[in-house]
Amino acid sequence: DTGVSQNPRHKITKRGQNVTFRCDPISEHNRLYWYRQTLGQGPEFLTYFQNEAQLEKSRLLSDRFSAERPKGSFSTLEIQRTEQGDSAMYLCASSFRQQASYEQYFGPGTRLTVT
Amino acid sequence: KQEVTQIPAALSVPEGENLVLNCSFTDSAIYNLQWFRQDPGKGLTSLLLIQSSQREQTSGRLNASLDKSSGRSTLYIAASQPGDSATYLCAVSLMYSGGGADGLTFGKGTHLIIQP
Repeated sequence: DTGVSQNPRHKITKRGQNVTFRCDPISEHNRLYWYRQTLGQGPEFLTYFQNEAQLEKSRLLSDRFSAERPKGSFSTLEIQRTEQGDSAMYLCASSFRQQASYEQYFGPGTRLTVT
Repeated sequence: KQEVTQIPAALSVPEGENLVLNCSFTDSAIYNLQWFRQDPGKGLTSLLLIQSSQREQTSGRLNASLDKSSGRSTLYIAASQPGDSATYLCAVSLMYSGGGADGLTFGKGTHLIIQP
């Protein structure tokens, strides 16, 4: 059973450009979460999906951010018109609804640097 | 709004010592609590999960306890080793209105160094 995978692992972009990250959850995991982590801080919750339905979005998820999970499998997180403040590690996690504990398993993250 | 605090922020101890990391949260209506380990520049590794109805969980040299009513959890590491050096994060989830656990709220972590 492979773990959660994220691509790309690193992304350097210029301010104002759009970027898209992909997350592939553990197979059969029907919940998928996105978090953002800046240096020296704990991860902050952004949004999560159950299958293809987006159940909750944090206030941190501004209008420039959009997440999708069209077929209930992989998910993408897009940031439009990137700003330097978007530089962070973007983490994805998944969990299995049938597992009552809802334990979340994290991927290695995508590190975004906006220059 | 749920807030999670971890004490101490950093800890450096010689190899072999037993140690305790502390976590507190403001809203006791949690669904579960997870302890994670994070190595520099890496993702998170789940160490232990305690459901709201449980009092403790153990895995090898790690033991985590939960006192939901007082909003506290501790992570006990026995016989520490240099390989335990990492940042340890505590996170809680609330109950989602549609059932099950909500997204996690994290503390800032405890940066642990075990000296050889």
